[in-house]
Amino acid sequence: EPEVTQTPSHQVTQMGQEVILRCVPISNHLYFYWYRQILGQKVEFLVSFYNNEISEKSEIFDDQFSVERPDGSNFTLKIRSTKLEDSAMYFCASRESGQGAGNTIYFGEGSWLTVV
Amino acid sequence: EDQVTQSPEALRLQEGESSSLNCSYTVSGLRGLFWYRQDPGKGPEFLFTLYSAGEEKEKERLKATLTKKESFLHITAPKPEDSATYLCAVQASSGGSYIPTFGRGTSLIVHP
Repeated sequence: EPEVTQTPSHQVTQMGQEVILRCVPISNHLYFYWYRQILGQKVEFLVSFYNNEISEKSEIFDDQFSVERPDGSNFTLKIRSTKLEDSAMYFCASRESGQGAGNTIYFGEGSWLTVV
Repeated sequence: EDQVTQSPEALRLQEGESSSLNCSYTVSGLRGLFWYRQDPGKGPEFLFTLYSAGEEKEKERLKATLTKKESFLHITAPKPEDSATYLCAVQASSGGSYIPTFGRGTSLIVHP
């Protein structure tokens, strides 16, 4: 069964450093997302990406964050100058289309980021 | 503002003891309501999508139903392996945004 894959599964970084989280969405999907989940809290939307550009972003997704689709398969989230409060599980997700079964968003297993 | 409220926050059941989880929502036009299962330290695993009031979907011991204001996830004769957090997410049809809003989830523990 096709799945969204994410790397790394866990990363520890010093405060102020830059991190890049990587994702390979399901191959025929067209819409890509990043969500995050702080420990014990709900899953929160960060950004959506379609047709090589950001289609929507939340208030959380400020200038510290950026996304990129550098090639035909990878989708990355870059966090510049990390802060302690960026510690969270980051989920990549993808969706095939907006119609019927294609409307379902599938999630990866997550990248756990710890900022120390 | 779209809101999703799940209850109870936590639920403990004995194996075989059936129960229901609730997801109440307020949204300006429902495009879809999703149920996911999340195991500790893992990503949400898709279970069901419901689109209109009266719709029902089943998978093994789980059955999801939808009304105009809430959805229920019924668990029949649960087993310990059903222990997980169950997440509800609502997708609005207005404004062209297809971004689901998640509830806080219900943590289910099934004791053998």
